[in-house]
Amino acid sequence: KAGVTQTPRYLIKTRGQQVTLSCSPISGHRSVSWYQQTPGQGLQFLFEYFSETQRNKGNFPGRFSGRQFSNSRSEMNVSTLELGDSALYLCASSLGEPLLANYGYTFGSGTRLTVV
Amino acid sequence: DQQVKQNSPSLSVQEGRISILNCDYTNSMFDYFLWYKKYPAEGPTFLISISSIKDKNEDGRFTVFLNKSAKHLSLHIVPSQPGDSAVYFCAAEGAGNQFYFGTGTSLTVIP
Repeated sequence: KAGVTQTPRYLIKTRGQQVTLSCSPISGHRSVSWYQQTPGQGLQFLFEYFSETQRNKGNFPGRFSGRQFSNSRSEMNVSTLELGDSALYLCASSLGEPLLANYGYTFGSGTRLTVV
Repeated sequence: DQQVKQNSPSLSVQEGRISILNCDYTNSMFDYFLWYKKYPAEGPTFLISISSIKDKNEDGRFTVFLNKSAKHLSLHIVPSQPGDSAVYFCAAEGAGNQFYFGTGTSLTVIP
């Protein structure tokens, strides 16, 4: 079966611009989460969507936003880009997350964003 | 193609005993490995890491072992505590700072 697909794989933007990243989950998965991976900070949680609703949100400024569509595909938007936004952005999908059940949380390959 | 695999979706351990979580990888060029811990409704948090030049790294109750010839790493938690109940992910870093994650193992520590 197809895995989690993130597009684009690589992106270069200039400061002040905005960017939209896309994540297509595994077919049938309804939960999509977004993460920022940087060498210094490690993996940081951005937000999680389940059935088109944002269920959880990490400690990122309002410049970072997202949404989920009825087909479970999700987009993440970053406005007014800053140099510090350069990172690998990962999304992960799962069926759902009741309590501690592990529903095969699958990560995509990520989008490498470079802000210059 | 899943380059990092966690073949056990779940594990139950009695409090005080050892928890062993396993992870296999396919790419011999991976040079850095990490374990993350995830509670429900939260994002994963970094737990412990190991470089490919080492075979063991210890941090308190957590020890990661790396067997490069077998392309296998494991996380040992001793003694296990109920607060350790969470989903654990292993990850590997490859060329170009590309990260590959396993699908996670849900650990339940029974009081």
